[in-house]
Order: sequence, then C-alpha cells, then structure tokens
Amino acid sequence: GAVVSQHPSWVICKSGTSVKIECRSLDFQATTMFWYRQFPKQSLMLMATSNEGSKATYEQGVEKDKFLINHASLTLSTLTVTSAHPEDSSFYICSATGQPFSYNSPLHFGNGTRLTVT
Amino acid sequence: GEDVEQSLFLSVREGDSSVINCTYTDSSSTYLYWYKQEPGAGLQLLTYIFSNMDMKQDQRLTVLLNKKDKHLSLRIADTQTGDSAIYFCAESRNNQGGKLIFGQGTELSVKP
Repeated sequence: GAVVSQHPSWVICKSGTSVKIECRSLDFQATTMFWYRQFPKQSLMLMATSNEGSKATYEQGVEKDKFLINHASLTLSTLTVTSAHPEDSSFYICSATGQPFSYNSPLHFGNGTRLTVT
Repeated sequence: GEDVEQSLFLSVREGDSSVINCTYTDSSSTYLYWYKQEPGAGLQLLTYIFSNMDMKQDQRLTVLLNKKDKHLSLRIADTQTGDSAIYFCAESRNNQGGKLIFGQGTELSVKP
C-alpha cells in the first residue's frame, strides 16, 4: 500500500529557533499534501494544502510566514515552523493524495511529529 | 459549530459491540470515512461509504448511513482490547478530493 514517511517523529527545540518537518511519499507520487495540527484530545485542524510546484493554500487563521510549506517535488513536502514558541508545541501530521485521486483511500497519513518548544 | 460532531468517549467490555456515532451538516458530502488513530501515530483508514449507500459491512465493521438525518455510525463487533484508539469520522465534499473535514474523534476504551 501507499506509504507516507514523516520525519522526525519527535523534536524538542528552544524558543526562537526554527524546525523543519519532512513528509515523503515512498511509493507513489503525491500531487497534493495536507498539513494538520492536532492538540491533545482534539481533532485534526487542517493548516494548509500544498500542490507540487505551486504555493501552498493556507486555512484561515494560519500564519503563512510562520508555517512555511514547500512542496518542491512529487515525493517531498516540508513544513518549517519558524521562530517557534511554546504555543507552537503540538502534534503535526501530514497526509498525501496521489494521482489519480481515489475515494477508497483518499489520504495516506504520516505518523506525525511531536514538537515541543521549550 | 463543528461541521462534523462525535461523542468524545466510549467505554465497552471486551467481546461486546461498540457503536460510535457521528453527525454531519453538509448535504453535499459525497463520501464519509472512518479513521483509527492509535497513540502517537497517524490515521489509518478503516472504511468508507458513498453517500448513496445505507450500509456497508467489512468483517467486524458495519457502517450505517442515514442521509436524511445526516447521521453516520460505526459498529465494531466483538470488540477487542486492540481496538482501543481514537476513531474519527470525516466527510469529503464534491470537487474537493482529498480535503476532508474531521470530527473531534471518539476515544474508545475496551476493558478486559
């Protein structure tokens, strides 16, 4: 089946530094990738949608200058949390769809990244 | 309010059936999904149903859809301790392939 690898699985960083999270599709071409944020005991909040080779579309309330998304190839998207602060601590999850999109397996999820900002 | 709503917790005994409920608001929903999330992990697709179907069964899983009431349920037969996880329902809407709206998730606790 389709596999999405997300790295790192957890990261601790100091306040004010930047952190990059990678999301790779290992055995399919991911034309679209989605980045979610999840707080404890809560649902996934869609942050942005990225299509390969074009700028990401951010959801309302998500700062594009703080959460930089790059989708430079059909197998890799990155999310960079710039100048991280403790309130950015969260679980970040990526997902990807391939071409052609199929309703019977619409999203392939990474295993998430636990970010802790101290 | 939320577009997709679920109750937050469900506790059952091993061997019983579990029923997790979900309501949604958008009548243009085309497909509805159930995902499972284990601690510290991503989401795993369990099953899905097209909006013109009433029921779908897949081994221990039965999905019921009441389109009139916009109500979706997931029944897990013979629930096992390994079924303990958070279950999310999600909907997709016409022409937004891949972009899903998730419920808050129901935490299922299975006691031996």
